[in-house]
This record gives sequence, structure tokens and C-alpha cells, in this order.
Amino acid sequence: TQLLEQSPQFLSIQEGENLTVYCNSSSVFSSLQWYRQEPGEGPVLLVTVVTGGEVKKLKRLTFQFGDARKDSSLHITAAQPGDTGLYLCAGPGSSNTGKLIFGQGTTLQVKP
Amino acid sequence: DTGVSQDPRHKITKRGQNVTFRCDPISEHNRLYWYRQTLGQGPEFLTYFQNEAQLEKSRLLSDRFSAERPKGSFSTLEIQRTEQGDSAMYLCASSRRTGPYEQYFGPGTRLTVT
Repeated sequence: TQLLEQSPQFLSIQEGENLTVYCNSSSVFSSLQWYRQEPGEGPVLLVTVVTGGEVKKLKRLTFQFGDARKDSSLHITAAQPGDTGLYLCAGPGSSNTGKLIFGQGTTLQVKP
Repeated sequence: DTGVSQDPRHKITKRGQNVTFRCDPISEHNRLYWYRQTLGQGPEFLTYFQNEAQLEKSRLLSDRFSAERPKGSFSTLEIQRTEQGDSAMYLCASSRRTGPYEQYFGPGTRLTVT
């Protein structure tokens, strides 16, 4: 069974601080996606990482895919209150239908 | 792209009633997925359509749940004889047939069973 574990589950920080969220698995994934979700809304796709060791940047967000494609991280520099939300990592399941296996999410609260 | 839309956004129903949700995917996407999400958790896969064919169903999808995508465009998810445990956010997503399985989600339907 493919599982994705995220840590930490909850993070409360002050504006301007840096943070890292981790997404780990014992299984190899062909790709991993990161989503951000606000209360009462659906997840919004932030990035897809495909190649082991890949690093992608989206403004103040840096995403990395582990060399073995079993883990990923999201680093936010100088967090802002607008970054508040639930961050989800997800990867395709083994059935080749494209269904996504999600981690349980990391709730980030950035205080002004 | 106009994005994935879902209707209704919120539904409150009494236990035992039937409810139906609709999802309109991005027009050129032929893959459509339904997920369920409870508070504080990541979404869980329910079912998958490629065009009009339902190709995979999760064990989470009990006999009270049925989904259709009759013309390969919009999809409906029906829950019969709702139970309080069905209270959740129901999310629809769509994607292209090829590529790294990037899925685009709708805003969800929040179901509350009283």
C-alpha cells in the first residue's frame, strides 16, 4: 500500500520566518504534486516534480524531489499571512489510472 | 480553461435522504475523479472515469454510492440513504489523458447529514 506521510501536521509561525514541510514515503513515485487548499475550497495545484533530485521554485516557495523519488519537501522563505492554508502532497497510485494518493496535509498558520 | 465547477457548493440533508452532486470538468479533459475529504485529512479517492467509462472504484464507495458520466462530459455522484458518516467535502478533479497525472480540482460540495 502506497502511503505519503507529511510532517509537521501543524505549523504556526510569525510573518517573515522560513519553514519546511516534508512529504515521505517508502514507495517510489513517478511524480509528486503539491497542492494548497484554503478552508471551504478545493486544492489548487502548485507544482509537479517528476525527476529525482529536481528543484522547482515558485516565487518564495522551493520544491524538491528526492533523488530516489520517495520523498519531497516544500520550503517557504519569508512566510506571509497569505501563505496560510493546508498544504498537501500527492502522488499517483499504482493502478495507472492516475488516481492520487494524498498525504494528510500540513496546516500552516502565518501570523502577522 | 474555465476550471472545474461543482454544484451545489453546500448541501444539508437529513439522514436517510438521497443527494446528488454534479461536476463539470475542464472541457478538454477526458479523465474525471471523485474524492472525499474529511476535516483535517487529505482527500481520499472514490472513483475514476475515462470518458464515459467508470474504470476504478474505491472500496470506500459503498453500494449506496453511484457515479455516472453519461456522455463523457459532466459527472454526477449520488448517495442514497445518507448516513451521518457521509458528512464530508466531496471533490471532483479532472486531468488530461497523458502527462504526469496533474489534476485540477473543483471547489467541492460540502455535505452535512443531520
